[in-house]
Amino acid sequence: GENVEQHPSTLSVQEGDSAVIKCTYSDSASNYFPWYKQELGKRPQLIIDIRSNVGEKKDQRIAVTLNKTAKHFSLHITETQPEDSAVYFCAASGWGNNRLAFGKGNQVVVIP
Amino acid sequence: DVKVTQSSRYLVKRTGEKVFLECVQDMDHENMFWYRQDPGLGLRLIYFSYDVKMKEKGDIPEGYSVSREKKERFSLILESASTNQTSMYLCASSFGGATYEQYFGPGTRLTVT
Repeated sequence: GENVEQHPSTLSVQEGDSAVIKCTYSDSASNYFPWYKQELGKRPQLIIDIRSNVGEKKDQRIAVTLNKTAKHFSLHITETQPEDSAVYFCAASGWGNNRLAFGKGNQVVVIP
Repeated sequence: DVKVTQSSRYLVKRTGEKVFLECVQDMDHENMFWYRQDPGLGLRLIYFSYDVKMKEKGDIPEGYSVSREKKERFSLILESASTNQTSMYLCASSFGGATYEQYFGPGTRLTVT
C-alpha cells in the first residue's frame, strides 16, 4: 500500500522566515495530496491540497508543490508567524478510493 | 459548518473493560474514520466505513471493532481494553472518495489503567 514519509520531523524557524516541509510517497498511482495542520490541543484541519494534474498551488502565505517524477511534494510557508506553530501532516490517496495515507507529522516551531 | 462530535473528551478505563467510543457527524457524509494518534507515530487508521453497515480494516485494527448502524454515527469498540490502547482517538468524516476533505472530531483521550 501507499507509504508517506515526512522530513524533517521537527523544524524551528525564526518569525518572518520561510519553512519548507517535504513528503515522499511510494505509490505512483496516487493523485491527491492534502496537508493538514494540527495546533496544540486541537483537531487536524485541512489547509491546502493539490492534485496530480497541477504542479503548484498557492493560498496566501502557504503553497504546495508536487514533483510526480520524484514522487515528492512540499509545503512552503512564507513570512512565518507564531500562529503557524503546529504539527503538519501530509497525506496521499493511494490504493482504493476511500482512505488517505498520512505521514507521521512535522512539528513546526516559529520562534518570535 | 460541519460538526463532528465525539462522546467523551477524556476517558479512564480499567484493563479488560469493554469500551465504546462514539462519533456523530451532521453533514450526511458517506465516509467515517477512526484514527489513533500517538507521539511520533502520526495518525494511524484503525477502521473506516464508506456506508451504513460497511466497514474496512485500516492499518491497526487488532483489538478493535466498529459499528455503523446509522449514517451519522460510527462507534469504535475496544472489546477488552489493554494498557497499550492508551492513546488519543480521533474520528473523522468526509464525503465519498479520498479526495474530499476529512473533518475531524475533537478527540477522546483514553487512559487504560
